[in-house]
This record gives sequence, structure tokens and C-alpha cells, in this order.
Amino acid sequence: GENVEQHPSTLSVQEGDSAVIKCTYSDSASNYFPWYKQELGKGPQLIIDIRSNVGEKKDQRIAVTLNKTAKHFSLHITETQPEDSAVYFCAATAGGSQGNLIFGKGTKLSVKP
Amino acid sequence: DGGITQSPKYLFRKEGQNVTLSCEQNLNHDAMYWYRQDPGQGLRLIYYSQIVNDFQKGDIAEGYSVSREKKESFPLTVTSAQKNPTAFYLCASSRRGTMFDQPQHFGDGTRLSIL
Repeated sequence: GENVEQHPSTLSVQEGDSAVIKCTYSDSASNYFPWYKQELGKGPQLIIDIRSNVGEKKDQRIAVTLNKTAKHFSLHITETQPEDSAVYFCAATAGGSQGNLIFGKGTKLSVKP
Repeated sequence: DGGITQSPKYLFRKEGQNVTLSCEQNLNHDAMYWYRQDPGQGLRLIYYSQIVNDFQKGDIAEGYSVSREKKESFPLTVTSAQKNPTAFYLCASSRRGTMFDQPQHFGDGTRLSIL
């Protein structure tokens, strides 16, 4: 079945720097790749998503890139701010008849002022 | 504002007891989901429902049960058969799609602990 690996598990950056989180997936049939931000004690919030027919998508300071050949996708956050500090999860749809979302184990991002 | 409401925020279970977690949404979404989150882990799917009166097992359904009698509500029961129920439980909803390819919106979770 689908396996999603996420790296790094923790990431610390200075305010204003960029942050990059990478995920790899195993199922070539995966077609939807969302990214979620989770603050302490809250539920995950969708911040950006990409579908398999697109290579890159941007929304202000956030961008996601997808490389279907290599089966990896990345989250890029530019001009980081302290409020970007949270746990970020990637996910990919599993192929086959069930096709549920498989989540990575998360990256704890800390942005130091 | 539209959203997903989970209650209670904290729940304690005694040995041998069943407990029910509530999830209500007013987003007019057809599909609803229950996930379990353990420390340092990603979310794992317990059950999902794409339409009223129908639901399917996810990857870790053993020891859990659900019902979907109304579009807005998808309660989860953690039964005494679930031997390790301590976790953070998350409910989500989305438009009905194919192969989970619609954005899912999450509630703020219920933290369940064993007394």
C-alpha cells in the first residue's frame, strides 16, 4: 500500500528565512497531495494542495512542487514569520479502490524571531 | 461561520466503558471522516462515510463503531474492545469526490484518556 515519508521531522529557521519540507510517496496512482498546518491543541488546517496534473502551485508565501517521476513533493515557505511555527503534515491519496489519504508523520517548524 | 464542531474537547474513559465522540458539521458536506492521531505520528483513518446511512472501515477500525443517520452528524463510539484508546481524535468533512481527492476540513479534536 501507499507509504508517505516526510523529512525533516524538526526544522528551525530564523525569521525571514525560507523553509522547505519534503515528502516522498510510493504509489504511482496517487493523484492528490494536500499540506496541513496544525497548531498545538487544534485540528489540522489545509494550507495548500496540488493535483497530479500540475507541477507547481503558489499562494502568497507558500508554494508546493510535485515531481511525479521521482514521486516526491515539497512545501516551500518564504519570508517565514513566528506565526508559521507549527507542525506541518503532507498527505497523498492511496491508489486502488479505497484510495484514502495517507499522512506523513509531520514536521515541527520553529521560526525564531 | 461554517465549520466542524467536535465535543467534548477532553474525555476520560474507565476500563470496560464505551464512550461516544460527537462530530457535527454545517458545511453541507456529503463526506465525513474520523482519524486517530498519536504523538509523533501522522493521522490514521478509522472510518469514513461518503453519504448518509453508509460508512466504510478505514485502516484501523477495530474497536470503533460509527453511525451516519444525518448528513450533519457522524458520531464515533470507542468501545471496550479498543485496548489502546488514548489518543487525539479528529473528525473531518469534505465534498463527495473520488478516491479522497477533495479538500478535507478538520474539527479541533477530542483528546481521550484512560482513567
